Amino acid sequence: DGGITQSPKYLFRKEGQNVTLSCEQNLNHDAMYWYRQDPGQGLRLIYYSQIVNDFQKGDIAEGYSVSREKKESFPLTVTSAQKNPTAFYLCASSERAGGDEQFFGPGTRLTVL
Amino acid sequence: DQQVKQNSPSLSVQEGRISILNCDYTNSMFDYFLWYKKYPAEGPTFLISISSIKDKNEDGRFTVFLNKSAKHLSLHIVPSQPGDSAVYFCAASASYGKLTFGQGTILTVHP
Repeated sequence: DGGITQSPKYLFRKEGQNVTLSCEQNLNHDAMYWYRQDPGQGLRLIYYSQIVNDFQKGDIAEGYSVSREKKESFPLTVTSAQKNPTAFYLCASSERAGGDEQFFGPGTRLTVL
Repeated sequence: DQQVKQNSPSLSVQEGRISILNCDYTNSMFDYFLWYKKYPAEGPTFLISISSIKDKNEDGRFTVFLNKSAKHLSLHIVPSQPGDSAVYFCAASASYGKLTFGQGTILTVHP
């Protein structure tokens, strides 16, 4: 089965701790994306990567970091600098960057206590 | 600055009737538009898309209309079914793959 996996589904962390969210795809897609969803708001782009070893900031990159060492993996680290980290995080991928539909993973609900 | 806007937070329709979800955009560089459906605590799933060279695209019960002069697109669902109840997001792209999403509209279809 091809798709995008995100783990875990629910994640709890104490304030001040960094946490890394996993995103893996076996669709052989070049581009990968991280979004954040807050209640009553649309999806906001955090970071995206069009190719391995390259990534760009999205609209709300402050307090986050990413890496793209492998084509199939695009982990997101929520650092202690992120002021409001509690949210629903969604990873997506597309075959190429530019004009393609994006396929989404099931999401990770992060709660910072 | 919200470049993609869905001004109706919610919509309620009767089963069998038409659902019309609306979306407005401000960036004239957008040339590809998509609609996604999302259930709570799940990732969005792609529904239908339209390129700016077209003004209509149809897929089964779903039709998307694009009015470039008004910078407006709409999604029509006919006939609506209770299983269509979900949050619908419109999204737009300017060809480099970065999607900009609207805030979403909660559709409720009553049996």
